[in-house]
Amino acid sequence: DADVTQTPRNRITKTGKRIMLECSQTKGHDRMYWYRQDPGLGLRLIYYSFDVKDINKGEISDGYSVSRQAQAKFSLSLESAIPNQTALYFCATSDGGRYEQYFGPGTRLTVT
Amino acid sequence: QKEVEQDPGPLSVPEGAIVSLNCTYSNSAFQYFMWYRQYSRKGPELLMYTYSSGNKEDGRFTAQVDKSSKYISLFIRDSQPSDSATYLCAMSPSGTYKYIFGTGTRLKVLA
Repeated sequence: DADVTQTPRNRITKTGKRIMLECSQTKGHDRMYWYRQDPGLGLRLIYYSFDVKDINKGEISDGYSVSRQAQAKFSLSLESAIPNQTALYFCATSDGGRYEQYFGPGTRLTVT
Repeated sequence: QKEVEQDPGPLSVPEGAIVSLNCTYSNSAFQYFMWYRQYSRKGPELLMYTYSSGNKEDGRFTAQVDKSSKYISLFIRDSQPSDSATYLCAMSPSGTYKYIFGTGTRLKVLA
């Protein structure tokens, strides 16, 4: 079984809809991250959390919110989706004090 | 200017060739350097991780960091068609645990 899982893997939604992307991990890591990947722009950090009570904005947090429901679960919400949020979204984890990150398989989101 | 620059490729090489992938950066505070491999429609997979300057070898892969030139490299020896993927560099200043990624270089190893 994969250590970092993301649901859904693919989603098509309409402009203005609220959507939630979910991430779960069995690695026992305390730190979790949400990134989006766009062609030519690489991976950009949206939000990150170093423990259940810690939430921090990343480089591009506008239009997004997150919830850390448990150490193993970190959800990303788009409150009112817009077409330029069409991208590949990745969740990642790391162990406190270490710099290596481990990524989930990604969610391909299309906003029409 | 982006903090991390990476040639997008594609880079095409014959099987068995030595591949050199590179990133340059502008932030002298970066201390931790990582290379990821990403296959199509998959998440990035950590390949190599180095701290500060120097070389690190793992099988066919060697990561090299030259902080004086703000330049990092990943060498792949005896390249295989299965190495065909996009390679991402990532780096972080000490203590922040936040990462800046390059845009990735697409590599094709031809059989």
